[in-house]
Amino acid sequence: NAGVTQTPKFRILKIGQSMTLQCTQDMNHNYMYWYRQDPGMGLKLIYYSVGAGITDKGEVPNGYNVSRSTTEDFPLRLELAAPSQTSVYFCASREDGGSYEQYFGPGTRLTVT
Amino acid sequence: KNEVEQSPQNLTAQEGEFITINCSYSVGISALHWLQQHPGGGIVSLFMLSSGKKKHGRLIATINIQEKHSSLHITASHPRDSAVYICAVRSGGSNYKLTFGKGTLLTVNP
Repeated sequence: NAGVTQTPKFRILKIGQSMTLQCTQDMNHNYMYWYRQDPGMGLKLIYYSVGAGITDKGEVPNGYNVSRSTTEDFPLRLELAAPSQTSVYFCASREDGGSYEQYFGPGTRLTVT
Repeated sequence: KNEVEQSPQNLTAQEGEFITINCSYSVGISALHWLQQHPGGGIVSLFMLSSGKKKHGRLIATINIQEKHSSLHITASHPRDSAVYICAVRSGGSNYKLTFGKGTLLTVNP
């Protein structure tokens, strides 16, 4: 069981470039989440999904898009990167009901210059 | 005002000391989570509480629903406990989402 995996681990983007952050989980979880973590701030929810084909906005969705075509994958797309999107991005998943425990990926550190 | 407030923001202790980290929240919740983030960045769940107290090894978490307050205690602290401890709440209105505190940075010196 690899759990939640994220790629890449690090990335530097120029302003205006686009990229996709990949997230995959092998636990057959329906719920998946994308967060960003800025220095000194709590994790902020960008987008979440309650199952394949279903996504919804979180607190800070502007500048991002997601898709969920399979249970396993939940990619996060950045279009027209801006310096304000410099952050550490975490993907997480959890099972339906049960403990509600979220399992986090190792994070992607993104710098936009 | 943040819905979830943690104190202190930073805490330095000597090995062996008893540690307390506090979390207060302002909304009705269905559960509260404590998580640990190590210097490398990885985040793991420690506890989920909806009432009372839970213990796992040297870690104890308590919650007082009426006072909207939770504490995380670490007994006989060790340098390997050095990490950021994060409180998060699942509000009664949404079982999908967590609202996170800013975290408490704990440093335990040998």
